[in-house]
Amino acid sequence: DQQVKQNSPSLSVQEGRISILNCDYTNSMFDYFLWYKKYPAEGPTFLISISSIKDKNEDGRFTVFLNKSAKHLSLHIVPSQPGDSAVYFCAASEAGANSKLTFGKGITLSVRP
Amino acid sequence: EAQVTQNPRYLITVTGKKLTVTCSQNMNHEYMSWYRQDPGLGLRQIYYSMNVEVTDKGDVPEGYKVSRKEKRNFPLILESPSPNQTSLYFCASSLVAGGLSTDTQYFGPGTRLTVL
Repeated sequence: DQQVKQNSPSLSVQEGRISILNCDYTNSMFDYFLWYKKYPAEGPTFLISISSIKDKNEDGRFTVFLNKSAKHLSLHIVPSQPGDSAVYFCAASEAGANSKLTFGKGITLSVRP
Repeated sequence: EAQVTQNPRYLITVTGKKLTVTCSQNMNHEYMSWYRQDPGLGLRQIYYSMNVEVTDKGDVPEGYKVSRKEKRNFPLILESPSPNQTSLYFCASSLVAGGLSTDTQYFGPGTRLTVL
């Protein structure tokens, strides 16, 4: 039973345009959500996060939106750059002592020059 | 430089030959974890450790062991590797503040394991 779903395996956008990466979750106990970026031959690196008490968090070109009622979050990258081409993982965790992250399968973003 | 290191980065071995993948972090993090990444499955947690001598199973612990004798080290042990453990493995650590899971995890560079 997959609790964090990234249903689109890949996304291709033109440089300078907006990239929108979507993520859905089923566990209503999740209260913290994160996006990680992964380049080939490297470990995932933290990108941006959002707590369930917020509906938006922005950091430079990256904005994460959370819709709790729909159990949906999205990552917006504006403007997209070729260096953003990577695999993006959505992750979520429940409140509590175990910092367990439940990951989605990832989405491969390709930004065309 | 704050980092999580893993060794080896690449390993090819044969079925049944015990191996250990080491993980070390220099950030004084309490929480450490092992994940495996497989095509189409994303990252799945194998084991985690809340602190020294405190470890617990993640989602896919079968065939693996861990130990946490020191805060900085969290080795992953495959007592009798099998081909279905061929995967990309990541170690991660985070600072657990107040026991809440709100701190981001820092990942190592990964270990690509092939079991023939």
